[in-house]
Amino acid sequence: DAGVIQSPRHEVTEMGQEVTLRCKPISGHDYLFWYRQTMMRGLELLIYFNNNVPIDDSGMPEDRFSAKMPNASFSTLKIQPSEPRDSAVYFCASRSLYNEQFFGPGTRLTVL
Amino acid sequence: SQQGEEDPQALSIQEGENATMNCSYKTSINNLQWYRQNSGRGLVHLILIRSNEREKHSGRLRVTLDTSKKSSSLLITASRAADTASYFCATDGGVGGGADGLTFGKGTHLIIQP
Repeated sequence: DAGVIQSPRHEVTEMGQEVTLRCKPISGHDYLFWYRQTMMRGLELLIYFNNNVPIDDSGMPEDRFSAKMPNASFSTLKIQPSEPRDSAVYFCASRSLYNEQFFGPGTRLTVL
Repeated sequence: SQQGEEDPQALSIQEGENATMNCSYKTSINNLQWYRQNSGRGLVHLILIRSNEREKHSGRLRVTLDTSKKSSSLLITASRAADTASYFCATDGGVGGGADGLTFGKGTHLIIQP
């Protein structure tokens, strides 16, 4: 298995633009998580899905953020409109049966 | 707020020495996990210890868990230059983590001097 796959690896955009981050979880994992990492706040859980259904989105900072999981092998995190304070590394993770979460390589987002 | 707090924030030791990092958390947990992150990279899962376990080993890693003190420690024995990284503890079921999401500490940055 290739592990959790995220794209793009790097994204540079201008304030006000829409940003879409993509994630492919490990096959067979039924939980998918989105995290954000910044120097100031560390690693924070944004939202997670179980069997493609959003379970807890209390970590989503604002209505500008939205996430979907249309099927078991794909999820997106969208920011519209983006702001400079959204600059961070965004990680996707999926969970095995035994609670270990496996993380993707992350998307480094820079909003100018 | 952060559920786990690692201590120390930074640690520099000589290659071959043992490195010990500590983690404290605030609420009850189901599991505690340790992750490693190399600079600019993703997180690598190291070890998971369940709330009913007290100690776990994996290669050069030893993790302890004291639920009465809400604390855990990660010991890396015979450290190597390649162990240089940031180490995070993560708990589930804690504040901000929901039932299944992980709540991370701010990490310990470990530097192994050759």
